[in-house]
Amino acid sequence: ETGVTQTPRHLVMGMTNKKSLKCEQHLGHNAMYWYKQSAKKPLELMFVYNFKEQTENNSVPSRFSPECPNSSHLFLHLHTLQPEDSALYLCASSQANRNNSPLHFGNGTRLTVT
Amino acid sequence: DQQVKQNSPSLSVQEGRISILNCDYTNSMFDYFLWYKKYPAEGPTFLISISSIKDKNEDGRFTVFLNKSAKHLSLHIVPSQPGDSAVYFCAASPSQKLVFGKGTKLTVNP
Repeated sequence: ETGVTQTPRHLVMGMTNKKSLKCEQHLGHNAMYWYKQSAKKPLELMFVYNFKEQTENNSVPSRFSPECPNSSHLFLHLHTLQPEDSALYLCASSQANRNNSPLHFGNGTRLTVT
Repeated sequence: DQQVKQNSPSLSVQEGRISILNCDYTNSMFDYFLWYKKYPAEGPTFLISISSIKDKNEDGRFTVFLNKSAKHLSLHIVPSQPGDSAVYFCAASPSQKLVFGKGTKLTVNP
């Protein structure tokens, strides 16, 4: 498998559930990202990890908890979400130590919070 | 406040003609600009980029123009093909933190 893979593709969860989104990249990159795309809004950066270390938290509520165990895997743990958190969650990777390395995105997880 | 603006939510062109997608930005610190293309149910895919030291970059049917004084960039697709129908996102960066526009939905009619 090549590129950036995200699972699950679709997720429906209640406000009291706990779930996790998974991302895996096979590109040899060392930076990974979570983005959120809500309807009629631009993609919003949530978190950045460089070499497994979190370097950016874009004022994301604590009900979203990222985890990066190694440079190839990224998780987003979800708990006590709100209906307004329903969105497309996109994972991306890039080569952090190369100037202007473009992001490579996965196909996203479509999350619905009921 | 949006730092990257794509003021046209949609654009429709005939196959074989030129498609011109526009993007404006407000932050003069942005020094690298990218265009991404997104099909339904897929993630955005990188299309073409341009550094602020250039004013034009070309890759096959795709050309990006940058006008730094106007803080404006555009993507030209010529000739347009039905397979180009997608949402196109403009993005800008001073670093790893890419800032995206809302996107323009391009429809190329056969």
